[in-house]
Amino acid sequence: AQTVTQSQPEMSVQEAETVTLSCTYDTSESDYYLFWYKQPPSRQMILVIRQEAYKQQNATENRFSVNFQKAAKSFSLKISDSQLGDAAMYFCAYRSAVGRGTSYGKLTFGQGTILTVHP
Amino acid sequence: EAGVTQSPTHLIKTRGQQATLRCSPISGHTSVYWYQQALGLGLQFLLWYDEGEERNRGNFPPRFSGRQFPNYVNALELEDSALYLCASSPDREKTQYFGPGTRLLVL
Repeated sequence: AQTVTQSQPEMSVQEAETVTLSCTYDTSESDYYLFWYKQPPSRQMILVIRQEAYKQQNATENRFSVNFQKAAKSFSLKISDSQLGDAAMYFCAYRSAVGRGTSYGKLTFGQGTILTVHP
Repeated sequence: EAGVTQSPTHLIKTRGQQATLRCSPISGHTSVYWYQQALGLGLQFLLWYDEGEERNRGNFPPRFSGRQFPNYVNALELEDSALYLCASSPDREKTQYFGPGTRLLVL
C-alpha cells in the first residue's frame, strides 16, 4: 500500500515571501499521479497543482510550483509571493495509475500542513 | 461551469439511525468518490462509483453503502461523526474535484 507523509504539521510565512511545503511518499509503482490540494476554513478541498510521474518537468500553476524528485520520492510545493488568501491546510495526495487492485481510483492523502500567512 | 454540490451541509443523527448524504457531480463527470475526514484520522477513502457501479471501497464496513449519488450510512455509530467529502472526475484517470462536504454529527 502507498503512504504519503507530510512532516511539517504547521508552517508560517510573511505576505509576499516564499514558502516550501514538504511531502514524501512510498510506493513500488512507477506510474502514478501526485497532487497538492488546499483546504481553507470553509473545508472545501481545492486543487492546487497536479504532477504526472512520467513527466520529468516540474508542474507550475501561476505562483505555485513543485519540485518532483521521483528517485527520492519527494514532492514539495513552493508558493511564491504568498498572499493572505493562501492561508489554509495543504494536503499532498497520491493516486495510482495502475488500473486494478485496492489502490485503483482512490487518493491517498498525507496528514496535512497548516499554512499561516502573516501580513 | 457548476462545481460538485453536496447536501445537506450539516446533519445531526442519533446512534442507530440512517444518514443520507447526497452529491451532484460536475456535469459530464462519470466517476464519484467519497472520502471521510474525521478528527484525528485524516482523509480516508470510502467509496468510488464509476458509471453507476461501485468500483472500489476503502476499509469501511458494509453499512456504508448506496448508489452513485446518494450515499447511505446505516446503523450510525458515534465514530461516524466526520466531514464527508464527495469528489467527481470526468473519467477514472482524471483529477478529482471536490464538493464542500457534509458534516455529520452522531449523538
